[in-house]
Amino acid sequence: NAGVTQTPKFQVLKTGQSMTLQCAQDMNHEYMSWYRQDPGMGLRLIHYSVGAGITDQGEVPNGYNVSRSTTEDFPLRLLSAAPSQTSVYFCASSLLAGTKANEQFFGPGTRLTVL
Amino acid sequence: DAKTTQPNSMESNEEEPVHLPCNHSTISGTDYIHWYRQLPSQGPEYVIHGLTSNVNNRMASLAIAEDRKSSTLILHRATLRDAAVYYCILNSGYALNFGKGTSLLVTP
Repeated sequence: NAGVTQTPKFQVLKTGQSMTLQCAQDMNHEYMSWYRQDPGMGLRLIHYSVGAGITDQGEVPNGYNVSRSTTEDFPLRLLSAAPSQTSVYFCASSLLAGTKANEQFFGPGTRLTVL
Repeated sequence: DAKTTQPNSMESNEEEPVHLPCNHSTISGTDYIHWYRQLPSQGPEYVIHGLTSNVNNRMASLAIAEDRKSSTLILHRATLRDAAVYYCILNSGYALNFGKGTSLLVTP
């Protein structure tokens, strides 16, 4: 298993540009989510999905869109990039949604800089 | 959501045991206590979790107080590769509420 994969590893955008961060998992996990991590801080939840076709907002959803058309993929779209979105983005997945005992598996992250 | 409190940083010598404390005084009866760690420039990595009883796995042990208001992650023999930020998290089943965690420094 490749686990959770993310592309690209690094990205530089100009203010106002749009882009999609890719996330895929090959473990048939029901739950997937996106976090962002700003320097010296813990991770904050952006959006999550409890299954194909179902998404919901997390703590910091503004400026981001998600969709979940397949179990495997959960892309994160930046609609109009702003310098405040400069961060490291992590995708995570776990086997079952809403189960407090489940561990989450994280991808290696995408480091995004918005100029 | 119930929150956790951890020291900002701790230091240990290599090959010595490390006890990382966590307070969670507002924990609910169904909250699981999870620990993750994040090595430099990597994504978080699951370490261990528990509900009421102490737990052991190949990475660490988790000691949970009888009243569940605190817990301790135990690394039995710290190595340089254990230098990371350790997060104590109460799993709600969806979002993991990462605080700032404890930054563990391991010195040779």
